[in-house]
Amino acid sequence: DAMVIQNPRYQVTQFGKPVTLSCSQTLNHNVMYWYQQKSSQAPKLLFHYYDKDFNNEADTPDNFQSRRPNTSFCFLDIRSPGLGDAAMYLCATSRDLAQGSDTQYFGPGTRLTVL
Amino acid sequence: GNSVTQMEGPVTLSEEAFLTINCTYTATGYPSLFWYVQYPGEGLQLLLKATKADDKGSNKGFEATYRKETTSFHLEKGSVQVSDSAVYFCALSRARDYGNNRLAFGKGNQVVVIP
Repeated sequence: DAMVIQNPRYQVTQFGKPVTLSCSQTLNHNVMYWYQQKSSQAPKLLFHYYDKDFNNEADTPDNFQSRRPNTSFCFLDIRSPGLGDAAMYLCATSRDLAQGSDTQYFGPGTRLTVL
Repeated sequence: GNSVTQMEGPVTLSEEAFLTINCTYTATGYPSLFWYVQYPGEGLQLLLKATKADDKGSNKGFEATYRKETTSFHLEKGSVQVSDSAVYFCALSRARDYGNNRLAFGKGNQVVVIP
């Protein structure tokens, strides 16, 4: 089945220790997104890639970076995690808008704990 | 700007009861409208969508109709099960108008179904 995969499902890191979360997709979608979701809140978009073009949200802290080495994979790097970065991180994908679809498909998420 | 408003507070109901979750939106043009469901500890799953006025999205017994005159997309299910316990998010996208596929989410509603 075509899908969005996130690894690991649970990640524990220490305050200030860099961490990388990964996302892969078998949908062959052009667009990949990273969201942060804190408890009892809606997901908040951090940034997205349209093919190799990176689009950062204006209020995303510099502490958050992303890489997309190829169509299938996208990484979220948190350079110096703080306690406030503990959250669920969701990856999503969508097709090229020129193909007429604006539906985003989400992965299962990575729960990040910062000690 | 684009925004989505969901009814306040959790929804608790008995098995086989009728479920309604209200969703209204503010947007110019012709947004696409979505309902996503999030089970505990999981990512968001697309439940249903509608892309134009009077479209009805349906899936797994859930339905929602795109009402442009009332700017609403209320979610309904005739007979809920315990397994429907989850958080439900209403969302909109203006991608087809502006080529910018940012989802605007409502705050979400926790639904608890009691046996």
